[in-house]
Amino acid sequence: EAGVAQSPRYKIIEKRQSVAFWCNPISGHATLYWYQQILGQGPKLLIQFQNNGVVDDSQLPKDRFSAERLKGVDSTLKIQPAKLEDSAVYLCASSLGGTGGLFGPGTRLTVT
Amino acid sequence: DAKTTQPTSMDCAEGRAANLPCNHSTISGNEYVYWYRQIHSQGPQYIIHGLKNNETNEMASLIITEDRKSSTLILPHATLRDTAVYYCIATEYGNKLVFGAGTILRVKS
Repeated sequence: EAGVAQSPRYKIIEKRQSVAFWCNPISGHATLYWYQQILGQGPKLLIQFQNNGVVDDSQLPKDRFSAERLKGVDSTLKIQPAKLEDSAVYLCASSLGGTGGLFGPGTRLTVT
Repeated sequence: DAKTTQPTSMDCAEGRAANLPCNHSTISGNEYVYWYRQIHSQGPQYIIHGLKNNETNEMASLIITEDRKSSTLILPHATLRDTAVYYCIATEYGNKLVFGAGTILRVKS
């Protein structure tokens, strides 16, 4: 079966610019997660969707980060404007339900 | 979620068993122990999970102590490809994963 797809794989932007990441989960997976992983740390959950509704966005910096999951399938995560501390790998994961799920390869963002 | 404590790093000889410990002394009765690993430049990969019985799959074995305050992930015959960061997470089924820093396992030839 195809895995979780993410694009782009790498992105370099200057601070104060905007950036968007895309995630295509495994077909039929109702739950979708976005994680942020800063170098040397474990992934941190930013937002969790159940179909197209938000279940948990308690750690999403809502002044600059936004995410949507239209039609309960694909999802986009946007940062506007980016700061230097947003440099990280952004991971998308999906699951049928339950805990965990399957992770995509991630998007590595560098903010200069 | 119960807090877990893991060693920062461990080394293992190729072909030998790798035993990765995890302490979760405040684990509640409803919380499972999950293990994930993350190979360099990849997303985390599910390995195994358990509640109180020992579990085994094609990747690894999970040994949970009777009091459930600690567990050990066993990779029976470690290979160089098993070099990764290993995360132990205690959480209720259906809850989100909260990752710590994990254990860096280095398998050496």
